[in-house]
Parts: sequence; structure tokens; C-alpha cells
Amino acid sequence: DQQVKQNSPSLSVQEGRISILNCDYTNSMFDYFLWYKKYPAEGPTFLISISSIKDKNEDGRFTVFLNKSAKHLSLHIVPSQPGDSAVYFCAASRMNRDDKIIFGKGTRLHILP
Amino acid sequence: ETGVTQSPTHLIKTRGQQVTLRCSSQSGHNTVSWYQQALGQGPQFIFQYYREEENGRGNFPPRFSGLQFPNYSSELNVNALELDDSALYLCASSLGLASGELFFGEGSRLTVL
Repeated sequence: DQQVKQNSPSLSVQEGRISILNCDYTNSMFDYFLWYKKYPAEGPTFLISISSIKDKNEDGRFTVFLNKSAKHLSLHIVPSQPGDSAVYFCAASRMNRDDKIIFGKGTRLHILP
Repeated sequence: ETGVTQSPTHLIKTRGQQVTLRCSSQSGHNTVSWYQQALGQGPQFIFQYYREEENGRGNFPPRFSGLQFPNYSSELNVNALELDDSALYLCASSLGLASGELFFGEGSRLTVL
């Protein structure tokens, strides 16, 4: 039972354009959502997060949108840069229950020159 | 500030053997979580340790066990290795039980032959 789903295994985007990575979740009890970025031979690194009391959080080129009614969140990267090529993991947890973080399978983003 | 370090980085074992993986948490962090990342999958939660006690466990059999030491470093032990145990094992540390940002190490790549 996959509670966090990233249905696109890979995505290719032209440098300078917007990258949109999508994530769906099934557990309505999740109240905290995170995006992690992973380069080969490195551990995942935290990118951006959003609490369920918000619908948008922005940090520089990265913006996360949360649609609770649709149980959907997305990560927007604009403009996309070559260094953004990596695997992106969507993750969710129940902060109010001090619960574990559940990860999706990841989306591999390729930024094309 | 010292980040999360894991050892060994790579190792090869044969089916039925036992393995111990080690993790030093980031300075000041008292919680360690272990994740298994199989090829093409997202990190799967194994268990979490907080102040030397197990606090939460994922869907892994008892042959996966762990320890946390007074300095908050941790070990993951896997007995009776199976071929499907081949994966990247990620350790992550955090401050307290809040299910927020995790700081990951680079992982230990285990191959079971």
C-alpha cells in the first residue's frame, strides 16, 4: 500500500524552463510534506517543506503547492538549471503524531541544455 | 558541524551471512532513523531510535535489528541475509521526534550474492 505516489519516473525539461514534479498521497492524516533531492552516490538532501495549514511555500527558485482536497502536491522549479538534474523524492508525515516520514519512489529530473 | 557519516560505504555478503552497518549522527541530533532503498524505489522506513530506545518500526522482519548508543550513534544489524536485502541503507538523524527534516548520510550499499 503506497501512501505517497510519484507517478512519473522521469521528466525532461529544457534549461531555463519550469520543472513541475507531482506527488499524490492517500493518507488524509498526513500534515507535513517534504521534498528531497538526491544526486548519485549521495544521500537525499532536504529541499523544501510545507505544512498542511498552508497551500504554498516558496524558497528561491523552488515553490511547493499543496491541494489538500485533491491530496496532491507539486514542486515547481523555475528557472530550471543543469544542477537541478537529480532524483526528487516527495515525502509525508504526521507531525502531530511524531510519526515516521514516508517517501515516494522518486522522479528523475533531466535538465536539457 | 559534523554531518551524518555511515560505514562501510560498500560491502558484499553472501546469503545467510550477517551484516552490521554503522552510523554517526549529526552533532546535536538525538534521533536516528534507518531506511532501505532498493533499486528504483524510494527509501523505506526500517526503524527509528530516540535516546537509545526503538521508537517506531516499519514493515521489516525481526532479523533487522538496531541499537543506539549513548553518543547517539547507531547500528543496523541484519541476520540471515537474503538476496532481496541487496539495497542502499540510509541513516538519517534529526533533533527530537518531530517528523520534520531528516539529515541523511551517503548510505551503505549492500550486495547479497
